[in-house]
Amino acid sequence: GAVVSQHPSWVICKSGTSVKIECRSLDFQATTMFWYRQFPKQSLMLMATSNEGSKATYEQGVEKDKFLINHASLTLSTLTVTSAHPEDSSFYICSASDNYEQFFGPGTRLTVL
Amino acid sequence: AQTVTQSQPEMSVQEAETVTLSCTYDTSESDYYLFWYKQPPSRQMILVIRQEAYKQQNATENRFSVNFQKAAKSFSLKISDSQLGDAAMYFCAYATQGGSEKLVFGKGMKLTVNP
Repeated sequence: GAVVSQHPSWVICKSGTSVKIECRSLDFQATTMFWYRQFPKQSLMLMATSNEGSKATYEQGVEKDKFLINHASLTLSTLTVTSAHPEDSSFYICSASDNYEQFFGPGTRLTVL
Repeated sequence: AQTVTQSQPEMSVQEAETVTLSCTYDTSESDYYLFWYKQPPSRQMILVIRQEAYKQQNATENRFSVNFQKAAKSFSLKISDSQLGDAAMYFCAYATQGGSEKLVFGKGMKLTVNP
């Protein structure tokens, strides 16, 4: 199946700093990418839908100025958590779509101290 | 808005036995897609099986099969000949299109496989 990578796999940062997470589709072009957040022992919650070359569509309750999403190419989307706070600590998962199926990245664990 | 409900937070099964995971959903759409995803301890989401709502035939993938009841808005997953590697979180999910639209996930169910 198609492969989606995420980098970094885990990151620890200080409160107030910004963190960038990359999501890459390695062997296919993804017109649409999705960003999910998963808190411990909970389900995946969609944060935003990202289409190449256009602004991301954010779900209700997700601060677009805090979670900056850029989908600059058909194989790369980035999520930047700006001015991170401890409550932003979570597991962030991206997925990339080939219009038939979503392929998930391995996730990024963010810990904000 | 579409919702997906998994009412059983945990289940266990003996190795080689069969287990059924339940899922119900709510939608006003007539055409949509349903999925079962597996999330092992590595947390990598893995697609187990998908069902197109317009297809009456239940999807099957090796030891995994679904019982799709469109009128009842029910979508259960049957795992036959359970293996230790089946132990994971299982999420039922809904989408209005096959891959290009967002997934709405249920809360998940933890499956334990006992040797």
